Amino acid sequence: ILNVEQSPQSLHVQEGDSTNFTCSFPSSNFYALHWYRWETAKSPEALFVMTLNGDEKKKGRISATLNTKEGYSYLYIKGSQPEDSATYLCAFKNLDTDKLIFGTGTRLQVFP
Amino acid sequence: DAGVTQSPTHLIKTRGQQVTLRCSPKSGHDTVSWYQQALGQGPQFIFQYYEEEERQRGNFPDRFSGHQFPNYSSELNVNALLLGDSALYLCASSLGGSRNQPQHFGDGTRLSIL
Repeated sequence: ILNVEQSPQSLHVQEGDSTNFTCSFPSSNFYALHWYRWETAKSPEALFVMTLNGDEKKKGRISATLNTKEGYSYLYIKGSQPEDSATYLCAFKNLDTDKLIFGTGTRLQVFP
Repeated sequence: DAGVTQSPTHLIKTRGQQVTLRCSPKSGHDTVSWYQQALGQGPQFIFQYYEEEERQRGNFPDRFSGHQFPNYSSELNVNALLLGDSALYLCASSLGGSRNQPQHFGDGTRLSIL
């Protein structure tokens, strides 16, 4: 059974704080790692698709890193804003299948 | 550019009934995947359709079936509904043959079983 784990489960930060969270996945047969942002009452929105060990991707104040050998990815948010409040989901895909296996997400709340 | 659209938005059914959920993919996309998201869980993969065929399937019973039409739209059918089928059902579209493309999600259908 392939498991994707995310931590922490939830996070409350003040506006302006920087934050990060973790996604852990099986390191064997790795193919791709996806990050999605899911705001309440909206649909999940793709942030990054990462495939190479050592990959670093950036989109505005949000960035992500990937370590496929040890099976983890970090998502960083610099200078959090209230509009960053959302659930951040990671999903893993391996070489054997096209299925995306999702973690349970990290729920971020940014207070003004 | 129309994104992924799902219908209906909400649905209430009783145990034993059957339900059909619908999804239109993002313009230009040919692959549709369905996910079930129960409370407190991440989305769980149900199945994926490409070229009108089921290409991959998750760990869901045969009560869950689907279909893809020539225009790439898709339906998810669930028979003999159980209380545990209450969940948010998400549809996602992507381009087939490119496994590194992100999925584009619809807003979901909230299914409640009484």
